[in-house]
Amino acid sequence: DIQMTQSPSFLSATVGDRVTINCKASQNINKYLNWYQQKLGEAPKRLIYNTNSLQTGIPSRFSGSGSGTDYTLTISSLQPEDVATYFCLQHNSGNTFGAGTKLELK
Amino acid sequence: EVQLVETGGGLVQPGKSLKLTCATSGFTFSTAWMHWVRQSPEKRLEWIARIKDKSNNYATDYVESVKGRFTISRDDSKSSVYLQMNSLKEEDTATYYCTGSWFAYWGQGTLVTVSS
Repeated sequence: DIQMTQSPSFLSATVGDRVTINCKASQNINKYLNWYQQKLGEAPKRLIYNTNSLQTGIPSRFSGSGSGTDYTLTISSLQPEDVATYFCLQHNSGNTFGAGTKLELK
Repeated sequence: EVQLVETGGGLVQPGKSLKLTCATSGFTFSTAWMHWVRQSPEKRLEWIARIKDKSNNYATDYVESVKGRFTISRDDSKSSVYLQMNSLKEEDTATYYCTGSWFAYWGQGTLVTVSS
């Protein structure tokens, strides 16, 4: 089974900051990596699919990159409404989520 | 507008059964692979089951921890997917989400609590 190691677990940042969240797979996942945002009391919302494709309606400050085993979600300029928990999901072999990154405002 | 609505959650004793339903609309359900994902009280997400479409013979797959206890099924005429959960354990306590179309669409979730 593929394991996903997500870091950091917790992140505190200021409005306007550039924020990066990482996921590392235990083996090559061939860019089959999605990113999700989950706000309190809501279902996960897909932001990015297959490493770097932006979901329709998602602001362009969100972007994804990576290959092989290492993947990154970047928020180019943090906004107050971005406070949430972020998860990665690999769907190359089986389906495995990262443990999540809780993002708060400093 | 895409909608997925899960129902059927609740409080159930260990060893009992529960059936979840996910009714969908707004996308081509018949060709979508559908999944159930659960989120523990600690907020960990876990994929638990998948059912493919008719062209893939409605093939199913499960996470090891629910194999033999849970069954995923679908009714394309009702655009609905189901999760039959038997022999429930306390560790099955979670919010259960249905999701489809390569995990693009999600329901609001239904809470299952297994406790005596």
